[in-house]
Amino acid sequence: GENVEQHPSTLSVQEGDSAVIKCTYSDSASNYFPWYKQELGKGPQLIIDIRSNVGEKKDQRIAVTLNKTAKHFSLHITETQPEDSAVYFCAAVTHRGAGGTSYGKLTFGQGTILTVHP
Amino acid sequence: KAGVTQTPRYLIKTRGQQVTLSCSPISGHRSVSWYQQTPGQGLQFLFEYFSETQRNKGNFPGRFSGRQFSNSRSEMNVSTLELGDSALYLCASSRGRKSSDTQYFGPGTRLTVL
Repeated sequence: GENVEQHPSTLSVQEGDSAVIKCTYSDSASNYFPWYKQELGKGPQLIIDIRSNVGEKKDQRIAVTLNKTAKHFSLHITETQPEDSAVYFCAAVTHRGAGGTSYGKLTFGQGTILTVHP
Repeated sequence: KAGVTQTPRYLIKTRGQQVTLSCSPISGHRSVSWYQQTPGQGLQFLFEYFSETQRNKGNFPGRFSGRQFSNSRSEMNVSTLELGDSALYLCASSRGRKSSDTQYFGPGTRLTVL
């Protein structure tokens, strides 16, 4: 089955700096890569995602890149703010199904605790 | 639009008991997935239901089971609880038509087994 490795496990930056989190996956059939942010006492919240036919996607201060050949994808946060402090998870989804519907489970990385110091 | 809701938010049980957790998906979503989150193992997939049918299953023992009702609400049950079942149980809903459909998570149920 799919295996997702995430690094680093903790990341500490100063406000205004950039933060980069990297993930690798094992199953070449994986085709969808979401990133989730989890704050204390809450469930994971999707912040950005990328599909396997796209190499890069950006949404304001957040960007994700995907290298299918190397099977790795990365999250980039620019101009970090204290409210960005949280645990970030990458995930990979492997396509299942045929015809009009498909489905897949999320295989998560181990998480990165990001701390942004004011 | 209301988000995913889970009840109860907190549960304390003793070894050997059983527990039922409930999840109400976002209106219009037909897929409900369950995940277990622990500090040691991280987020692990339990199972997924779509239109009242289990469509996908993770690597958990048979003590973990679930079901989905015609209104897409889902329940998961854990029988003969063990200390290691202490975890945050998260459910996520999606439209369920494509593997790339976004999964939206609820706040989770924190289960403590004593």
